[in-house]
Amino acid sequence: KAGVTQTPRYLIKTRGQQVTLSCSPISGHRSVSWYQQTPGQGLQFLFEYFSETQRNKGNFPGRFSGRQFSNSRSEMNVSTLELGDSALYLCASSLLAQSSYNEQFFGPGTRLTVL
Amino acid sequence: SQQGEEDPQALSIQEGENATMNCSYKTSINNLQWYRQNSGRGLVHLILIRSNEREKHSGRLRVTLDTSKKSSSLLITASRAADTASYFCATAGVTGFGNEKLTFGTGTRLTIIP
Repeated sequence: KAGVTQTPRYLIKTRGQQVTLSCSPISGHRSVSWYQQTPGQGLQFLFEYFSETQRNKGNFPGRFSGRQFSNSRSEMNVSTLELGDSALYLCASSLLAQSSYNEQFFGPGTRLTVL
Repeated sequence: SQQGEEDPQALSIQEGENATMNCSYKTSINNLQWYRQNSGRGLVHLILIRSNEREKHSGRLRVTLDTSKKSSSLLITASRAADTASYFCATAGVTGFGNEKLTFGTGTRLTIIP
C-alpha cells in the first residue's frame, strides 16, 4: 500500500497570504490528523477528521481550518499567514475513528516558510 | 502545551551500546506511544503501550510504562548508526468523550557515533 502523501512538500509564502495543504491517507484509512511542528513549540495537534467530520481541534486560532472529503483526503488552510506559521505541517492517517488510541501513519510533511 | 517531557534532551553514544530515553507525563492516559523522526521528516510509529501494560518489546526496542510514576522509558539495544534520529513520546488521554488527541513530548535527539 502507498503511504500517506502530502503536497506540496515545500512552500514559500509571504505574510498575509493564505495557503492550502493537501493530505492523502493510506488507502482504507478514514481518520486524518494534522500537526504543526516548530522548533519552539514542538509537535502540536491541529485537528482530526473522520468520515468528513471534525472530531477534535487543538488550540489554534480560527485562521487554521481544515476539511475532509468523501474519499478521506484532507486539506488544511491557513489564512492571513504570519511569520510564526512557518513550520513543518504533518498529516497522519489511522484506520479507526479514535486515532490517538491506535497507530498513526505520518506523511513526510509540508515545509511552509512565511516571509 | 506539551504533556510529555523527555529526558535527556540529547544523547550521544557509541555504536553497539544501548540507549535509554525517558518520558514523563502529567495526566491519566489511555496509552503512550513512541515515534522516531529522521531529520525533519515524517514520524515513524515504534511502539504503543496501553495503560494496563507494563512492558512491551519490538525487535531491539523495549518500552516500559509505570503509571504510578507517570513515566515511560524506551530502550534501544545494540544501537546502529541508522538509529540516529529524534525520538518522541506521545500520550492519549482519557477524557471519556472519545475524542482524545495525541499529545507529544519534547523529544530526545539521539546520535549514534560509528
